[in-house]
Amino acid sequence: EPEVTQTPSHQVTQMGQEVILRCVPISNHLYFYWYRQILGQKVEFLVSFYNNEISEKSEIFDDQFSVERPDGSNFTLKIRSTKLEDSAMYFCASTTSGGEYNEQFFGPGTRLTVL
Amino acid sequence: EDKVVQSPLSLVVHEGDTVTLNCSYEVTNFRSLLWYKQEKKAPTFLFMLTSSGIEKKSGRLSSILDKKELFSILNITATQTGDSAIYLCAVRYGGSQGNLIFGKGTKLSVKP
Repeated sequence: EPEVTQTPSHQVTQMGQEVILRCVPISNHLYFYWYRQILGQKVEFLVSFYNNEISEKSEIFDDQFSVERPDGSNFTLKIRSTKLEDSAMYFCASTTSGGEYNEQFFGPGTRLTVL
Repeated sequence: EDKVVQSPLSLVVHEGDTVTLNCSYEVTNFRSLLWYKQEKKAPTFLFMLTSSGIEKKSGRLSSILDKKELFSILNITATQTGDSAIYLCAVRYGGSQGNLIFGKGTKLSVKP
């Protein structure tokens, strides 16, 4: 069964460093998303991406964040200068259509720890 | 402000019990409501509800949506220890991109 994959599973970084979180969405999917979940808190929407551009982003997704689809398979989230409060689990999701009739498939997540 | 509220936040039951998890929402331009089960890592999809009053069923799990009263319930009958997880309710809202707003989840613990 096709699935969304994410690497690495755990990333530890120093404050101020850049990190890139990688996702491989399901191959025929067209809409891609990043969410984050701070420990003990709810899952929060960061950004949606379609047709090689950002469709929508939340207030969390400030200038420190960027997304890219560098080739036909990877979808990356870059945090330019990490802060302590960026420590969270980051989930990638994908779906065939942005409409209301399609579920989003989630990857296993990358746990980011900023020291 | 758009919001999704789940209750209870945590629940402890014994195997064989029946549980009902609640999700209420206030969002602009509601499109659909989804239930996910989150164990160790990724949320896994359970149900998607778009129409009021139509029950979705999968084994011992079922769910229904009330778009007039703006809530949904997830029922689990004859609970098993493997049902222990966090159950997330998410609402798809707004424009065409299908973004989700999540509730905080209900942590269900099923004791043997």
